[in-house]
Amino acid sequence: GNSVTQMEGPVTLSEEAFLTINCTYTATGYPSLFWYVQYPGEGLQLLLKATKADDKGSNKGFEATYRKETTSFHLEKGSVQVSDSAVYFCALSENNAGNMLTFGGGTRLMVKP
Amino acid sequence: NAGVTQTPKFRILKIGQSMTLQCAQDMNHNYMYWYRQDPGMGLKLIYYSVGAGITDKGEVPNGYNVSRSTTEDFPLRLELAAPSQTSVYFCASSAGRDQPQHFGDGTRLSIL
Repeated sequence: GNSVTQMEGPVTLSEEAFLTINCTYTATGYPSLFWYVQYPGEGLQLLLKATKADDKGSNKGFEATYRKETTSFHLEKGSVQVSDSAVYFCALSENNAGNMLTFGGGTRLMVKP
Repeated sequence: NAGVTQTPKFRILKIGQSMTLQCAQDMNHNYMYWYRQDPGMGLKLIYYSVGAGITDKGEVPNGYNVSRSTTEDFPLRLELAAPSQTSVYFCASSAGRDQPQHFGDGTRLSIL
């Protein structure tokens, strides 16, 4: 079956530091890949997505590149802000009829001023 | 835009009680989902629906039931609440295949 593995958190960074959150996946076909963000007390929001190999998703300074050869979709940001503190979830959807998502366990990011 | 609206936001139940978690979306999305999120864990799919009158089981359906009589509403029913069902429940919707899912703010449910 499908699975998504993320680095465990929490990740604690100082403001303006570089961020990487690792995500690798297992799928039988060619999935679409997503990063969702969850701010405290809220539901998940789509941050970015990529639908095929070598695609780069980007939004709000965050980027992730779909690497089929390493089955990875690592999230990066060059300079984090305190407002980026949240839980980040990597997810995949493998062309299934229900458009169902498989989520990783989430990585909590804490950014200190 | 309201998006996906879940009610209630918080609820405490006693073991064996029943309740319905409500979910409504105003985006005319055909696809809707129910997830549970346990502390420190990712989301697990309980049930989903690809249109009115059509529902199907997800990864963890035991102890839950759903119905989809309209495009807008997708209620989740707990018939006999158990402590293992203490969790945060999220409803989501999407326009179709390969489209992103839009989430509600969640219902925090405690069963004592």
